[in-house]
Amino acid sequence: DIVMTQSPDSLAVSLGERATINCKSSQSVLYSSNNRNYLAWYQQKPGQPPKLLVNWASTRASGVPERFSGSGSGTDFTLTISSLQAEDVAVYYCQQYYDWPRTFGQGSRLDIE
Amino acid sequence: EMQLVESGGGLVQPGGSLRLSCAASGFSFSTSWMTWVRQAPGKGLEWVANINQGGSEKYYVDSVKGRFTISRDNAKNSLYLQMNSLRAEDTAVYYCARGHYDMGVWGQGTTVTVYS
Repeated sequence: DIVMTQSPDSLAVSLGERATINCKSSQSVLYSSNNRNYLAWYQQKPGQPPKLLVNWASTRASGVPERFSGSGSGTDFTLTISSLQAEDVAVYYCQQYYDWPRTFGQGSRLDIE
Repeated sequence: EMQLVESGGGLVQPGGSLRLSCAASGFSFSTSWMTWVRQAPGKGLEWVANINQGGSEKYYVDSVKGRFTISRDNAKNSLYLQMNSLRAEDTAVYYCARGHYDMGVWGQGTTVTVYS
C-alpha cells in the first residue's frame, strides 16, 4: 500500500498569513505515460463531509478560492493557503489515487493563531 | 444540484450485519464510479471500497475483504454496502462519494456503531 504522510500534524497561522501543509507518499504517484500526479487534497470542517480542493496535485476544484493552491510532483506535495481566512479552519487531507487501495494522509489540523 | 444521501446506519453487536444505502441525484449515477469512505470517531479518513459503473469491478481495503460487499442498482440510482461480521473497529461514519480517483461529491454520512 502507498503510505501518505502529512506534516505538520497541526499548525496555527495568523489571519492573512500563508499556511503550508506537506504530504509525502511512500512511492511516486506520478504516472509516466501521461505525466500526471494522482493526488488530491480535501478540506474537512467539523461535522461536515470532506470537500475536494485540488486534484491532479495542482488543479483547483470548481468553486475553490484562488488562495488555495497545490504543488509538487512524484512523492512530495504541498497545499498552500496564501492568505488565511477564518473560514479555512479545518483538517486537511491528501489522498493518492495512483493505486488501490486508495490511501489518505493522517490529516493536518489548521487553526488560527 | 448533485447530491448523495446515505442511510442504514445504526447500533449493532459484534458479529452482526448492516446494509448501508446511498441515494444519488443531480448527476449521471450510471456513468460514475462510486466509493465508500469511513471515519472512525476522532480519526482520519479511510477508503473502504470502490465499484465501477456497471458493477463488474470492485476493490476493497484489506481490513474489510470477505466481510463487506459493495454493490449498486443503476435503475434506482443507489449504492449499497453490505457489512457482515462487524467488529468494534468498524465503528465509524460511513460516507459515499462519487468518483474513484478524486472524490468530488460526498454525502453527509451515516453512523455505524458496533458495541458489545
